[in-house]
Amino acid sequence: DTAVSQTPKYLVTQMGNDKSIKCEQNLGHDTMYWYKQDSKKFLKIMFSYNNKELIINETVPNRFSPKSPDKAHLNLHINSLELGDSAVYFCASRQKMNTEAFFGQGTRLTVV
Amino acid sequence: GEDVEQSLFLSVREGDSSVINCTYTDSSSTYLYWYKQEPGAGLQLLTYIFSNMDMKQDQRLTVLLNKKDKHLSLRIADTQTGDSAIYFCADLQFSGAGSYQLTFGKGTKLSVIP
Repeated sequence: DTAVSQTPKYLVTQMGNDKSIKCEQNLGHDTMYWYKQDSKKFLKIMFSYNNKELIINETVPNRFSPKSPDKAHLNLHINSLELGDSAVYFCASRQKMNTEAFFGQGTRLTVV
Repeated sequence: GEDVEQSLFLSVREGDSSVINCTYTDSSSTYLYWYKQEPGAGLQLLTYIFSNMDMKQDQRLTVLLNKKDKHLSLRIADTQTGDSAIYFCADLQFSGAGSYQLTFGKGTKLSVIP
């Protein structure tokens, strides 16, 4: 069983479109995250979501919005996609009192 | 936010030991991690160390922590070509509202020469 799963694995879309990336975790974890990995492989936190409490990295444009329909899901919605949004996006989760963060396999987003 | 720094590249010969270094600035760090990312793949947790420890060994992996200098290292003994990957150091930081987040270094690309 996959602990943290993301879909789609690859996404190619045109500038200006709106797209969503889905993330599901079956670990019963309290906290979920979205990270962005740019072309230089640098990983940056975008959001953390814990018990309906959203913490946003202030550098993230407001075109990005996480949506959590329930505790097991944290989807990433992106409006008006730009070329610079091309990256690999990783979802992760961890239990509040646990130390280990589990990562999804990543979604490679390419904006053309 | 607090920073985590790593050198970007390391090249070693197969069979030698690899040492990947990391420094961090957050004095309140409780846990520090090493993640491995193979080409085109996701992040795999290799090992972690609690801040009150100074060493942890797990098969070919040895983690050393110098809390005074805020220096973390990962030693891979008998490095194999399958160890070629990017290795990320990460620091668990409190991000408010009862939540913690991992702050990553930029990753060290380990190349193993046959």
